[in-house]
Amino acid sequence: EAGVTQSPTHLIKTRGQQATLRCSPISGHTSVYWYQQALGLGLQFLLWYDEGEERNRGNFPPRFSGRQFPNYSSELNVNALELEDSALYLCASSYTGGTYTGELFFGEGSRLTVL
Amino acid sequence: GENVEQHPSTLSVQEGDSAVIKCTYSDSASNYFPWYKQELGKRPQLIIDIRSNVGEKKDQRIAVTLNKTAKHFSLHITETQPEDSAVYFCAVPITGANSKLTFGKGITLSVRP
Repeated sequence: EAGVTQSPTHLIKTRGQQATLRCSPISGHTSVYWYQQALGLGLQFLLWYDEGEERNRGNFPPRFSGRQFPNYSSELNVNALELEDSALYLCASSYTGGTYTGELFFGEGSRLTVL
Repeated sequence: GENVEQHPSTLSVQEGDSAVIKCTYSDSASNYFPWYKQELGKRPQLIIDIRSNVGEKKDQRIAVTLNKTAKHFSLHITETQPEDSAVYFCAVPITGANSKLTFGKGITLSVRP
């Protein structure tokens, strides 16, 4: 069974540009989570989607947005890129939304570098 | 929001020794406590978890203990091996209708051969 897949693996952008990152969850998983992993800051929660709806959002500005498609894959968009957006963006999926009680399965991540 | 803290931030042990990593949280209603391991350049993976109805859970060389009164849980690794070297994250879900998993900042464990 395929795990969570993310694309692209690496992305280099300049300040002010937009970045789009993509995630395909494990088959049968309806929830997709996005986390930002910047150096020394651990895993910072960005967004949670379940059944096509945004369920929760972390403390990030509105230029971080996303969506979930009918096939449960997801997209993270970052507009007006800033240098501090440089980080590894991890996508994870799980079986259920609602009250979290299960394992998160992470992808390998997309490394975004903003110059 | 939920506050999750890990102590210490780095830990170095000699191969064969034990390692203990502690995680404190603020939401007393939390009922699920996982630990994730992230090896260098790899994805985080769940290694052990515990639910609030038990105080301890073991899986071979790793164990997790929970103290709900004090709001902390700990990861114990015995007979450490070089392949245990990684970043370890604890996490706590925020209860409620829109819960999410909040991670600590991670602890870098180095096992010296």
